[in-house]
Amino acid sequence: QQQVKQSPQSLIVQKGGISIINCAYENTAFDYFPWYQQFPGKGPALLIAIRPDVSEKKEGRFTISFNKSAKQFSLHIMDSQPGDSATYFCAARVSGSARQLTFGSGTQLTVLP
Amino acid sequence: EPEVTQTPSHQVTQMGQEVILRCVPISNHLYFYWYRQILGQKVEFLVSFYNNEISEKSEIFDDQFSVERPDGSNFTLKIRSTKLEDSAMYFCASRAVIEAFFGQGTRLTVV
Repeated sequence: QQQVKQSPQSLIVQKGGISIINCAYENTAFDYFPWYQQFPGKGPALLIAIRPDVSEKKEGRFTISFNKSAKQFSLHIMDSQPGDSATYFCAARVSGSARQLTFGSGTQLTVLP
Repeated sequence: EPEVTQTPSHQVTQMGQEVILRCVPISNHLYFYWYRQILGQKVEFLVSFYNNEISEKSEIFDDQFSVERPDGSNFTLKIRSTKLEDSAMYFCASRAVIEAFFGQGTRLTVV
């Protein structure tokens, strides 16, 4: 029940296209859903995050869509650029004190020039 | 911009040896974490630390692992007797309220 399922495992998109990565969860106690971007040899870096009281959050070219009833959330990268090529992880956390993040399995995004 | 720093960036050790991975969290943060990532796999939670004690730990964090915050700034992960399967990237993270910030990681190679 603690798992976060992420798909696809890998994604290839042309420059300027839209990249879409999906995640699903079971634990309804999760109430914070961040997305992290990771470049090779680096630590995960927070990209954007959402709480379940909103259905969408947009920051620049990055949008999170959240469907509470379906227990799904997704990351949309508009106008994808070669510099966006990285591994993207969704995550979820139960609020309260020192609660840890539960990560999805990751999506390796390649944006072709 | 404040950041979480980890040392060393790469550690090679022989099986059975003890290793200590070091982290300096962001200074006003209260919650501290260690995660690990085996090559090509997802990031896995090891342990959380708050108010000078372990808050939660995963089943990965067995008796061979320990954490300390010895001096109010450093946060360390010790592996007492390393095994081959401990080879991974180890990430330290810290947070104040909501957002968790990760360090660059220590690549541990056990030979």
